[in-house]
Order: sequence, then structure tokens, then C-alpha cells
Amino acid sequence: EAQVTQNPRYLITVTGKKLTVTCSQNMNHEYMSWYRQDPGLGLRQIYYSMNVEVTDKGDVPEGYKVSRKEKRNFPLILESPSPNQTSLYFCASSIYGEPVTDEQFFGPGTRLTVL
Amino acid sequence: AQSVTQLGSHVSVSEGALVLLRCNYSSSVPPYLFWYVQYPNQGLQLLLKYTTGATLVKGINGFEAEFKKSETSFHLTKPSAHMSDAAEYFCAVSAFSGGYNKLIFGAGTRLAVHP
Repeated sequence: EAQVTQNPRYLITVTGKKLTVTCSQNMNHEYMSWYRQDPGLGLRQIYYSMNVEVTDKGDVPEGYKVSRKEKRNFPLILESPSPNQTSLYFCASSIYGEPVTDEQFFGPGTRLTVL
Repeated sequence: AQSVTQLGSHVSVSEGALVLLRCNYSSSVPPYLFWYVQYPNQGLQLLLKYTTGATLVKGINGFEAEFKKSETSFHLTKPSAHMSDAAEYFCAVSAFSGGYNKLIFGAGTRLAVHP
């Protein structure tokens, strides 16, 4: 089954404790992206990757890191989480990243709470 | 810069009633517009999109949306609501930024359907 998977689905952590949220897709997509969803703000893009070893900042990249060493994986790293990073996070992928022609497939989300 | 405004963060309808979710956009170029649906505990799923051509676009699950350039609107409708339509709905516009097209999401509208 074609899908985007994220782990963990739920995470409660404390300020400053490094964490990684994994994202994997099995559709051989070139493009992958991370979003955060906050009430009243919709989805905002954190980072994206057009292909392996190519990543770039989205609209809200502060406090996050990503890497794209393989096509299928795009982990999101919070080196020193803070309470304002408490949010619902989504990973997404599409074949080439062109929203007009390429449908974006979203993972199920990771709900992160930073105390 | 492109942006999207969704009027009403919460909409409640009776089962069998008309569903109308409002979306207005701002764009300096001909827009590409999208509606996504997010069912509880799931990722976003494409409902429908407008690129060019026919201004009335039909999507999945009986939803449709009409692009009205004069009103800068792309409202989502469904003639008869079903309990399974309860979800959060996001309007989005494609924006060219940083050398590629990306999606700009509205804040979302949560649809409740009651018996």
C-alpha cells in the first residue's frame, strides 16, 4: 500500500531534550516536506526537500533541522525543543513537488507536546 | 503574495442539509486552488483542485467547488451532508516562492454534522 508513515504518533517530552520524528514514504517520490499545524493557523511549511541531499527552509524553520540521505526518509530533528514547538506535525511527499500536477500525500501526523 | 482566508473556523449542519464552506483567496496571478480534508487522526487528503478550464470542479464524496474570479472565492459545497463528512477542511492556493510552487493553506474549517 502506498503510504507516508511517521513515528512516533504521539510524543511528550521536556524542554531541551533532543528528539527525532521519522518520516518514510514507499512511493519513490522525489519531494518531501514537513508541516506543523496549529489552531487558527492552518498548516505551515517547516522544511522541504526536492530530492536526495537537497533541503531548503520553508516558512517556519527556526528550531528544526532535517536531512535527506535517502529518497524514502526525511527525518525532522528538534535539537533543543521548546514549549512553542508543541504542535501537530505532518510529513508529506509528492513525485516532483509541483502541487498543480502532483498530489501531495500526507502522513497520519505526530502530536508533540514539549513541557 | 498569495494567501487564503477561510470564513468560519467551525460550521455545524444537520445531516441531509447543505454544506457550504467558504474560502477567499488573494493572488496576483491566476490561482491554482485546492480543498483538502482531514478526518480525525488522519493526514490531509486531496478533495478537489482547480487549475484551468471549467470553473465548477467536482471532487470526491459528492463535494464540489466553484472558482469565481470576480469574487476571488472558491467555496466548497455538498448538497446533502452525511455524518461521515465530519472533518476539518482546508482551502489552499499554490504560490510561487523560492523558485518553486508550494501550497499556502488557510486556517481550516471544522465541520460538525449532527443527526
